[in-house]
Amino acid sequence: EAGVVQSPRYKIIEKKQPVAFWCNPISGHNTLYWYRQNLGQGPELLIRYENEEAVDDSQLPKDRFSAERLKGVDSTLKIQPAELGDSAVYLCASSLAGGREQYFGPGTRLTVT
Amino acid sequence: GDSVTQMEGPVTLSEEAFLTINCTYTATGYPSLFWYVQYPGEGLQLLLKATKADDKGSNKGFEATYRKETTSFHLEKGSVQVSDSAVYFCALGGTGFQKLVFGTGTRLLVSP
Repeated sequence: EAGVVQSPRYKIIEKKQPVAFWCNPISGHNTLYWYRQNLGQGPELLIRYENEEAVDDSQLPKDRFSAERLKGVDSTLKIQPAELGDSAVYLCASSLAGGREQYFGPGTRLTVT
Repeated sequence: GDSVTQMEGPVTLSEEAFLTINCTYTATGYPSLFWYVQYPGEGLQLLLKATKADDKGSNKGFEATYRKETTSFHLEKGSVQVSDSAVYFCALGGTGFQKLVFGTGTRLLVSP
């Protein structure tokens, strides 16, 4: 069974540029999560989807971050414009609805210069 | 709010040594507790979990016991291997288990 797929794995951009990350969850997993992991820290939840509905986006900086999960499968996280402080690893995870175990993708390492 | 505190690393051990990584938590209600491991260049993998007080989670020789009285979930392994070198994260799952709160991670380095 394929795991959570993320792309790209690495991205380097200049500040003020836009960037987008893509995630394909495990087949059949209704719940999808985006986390941000700063260097030397644990992941922090940005947004959680149940199917196509964002049910917890309280930690998403809505002035520059947006996310979507059309058709309740793949998801895209966007930053526009990026700032130096956005440099981090962006992790996607998925789980069954109401599931207790989240499965993580390899992450996208973003560097903003 | 909910929080997790882990011992700072790196933890440096020789192969076959005994490992303990301390983890304590603060939470309302009765959270589930998890240990995740992150190998270089990879995503987080669930190592073990415990869903109620006094439960012991175990996997690959690692184990941790959910201690409600001390709000702890320390990770232990009797004999570490070089291949165990990684970053270990303690996490708690709140009501509904939908939101994981992670500690800052502890890097383990095992030398031959």
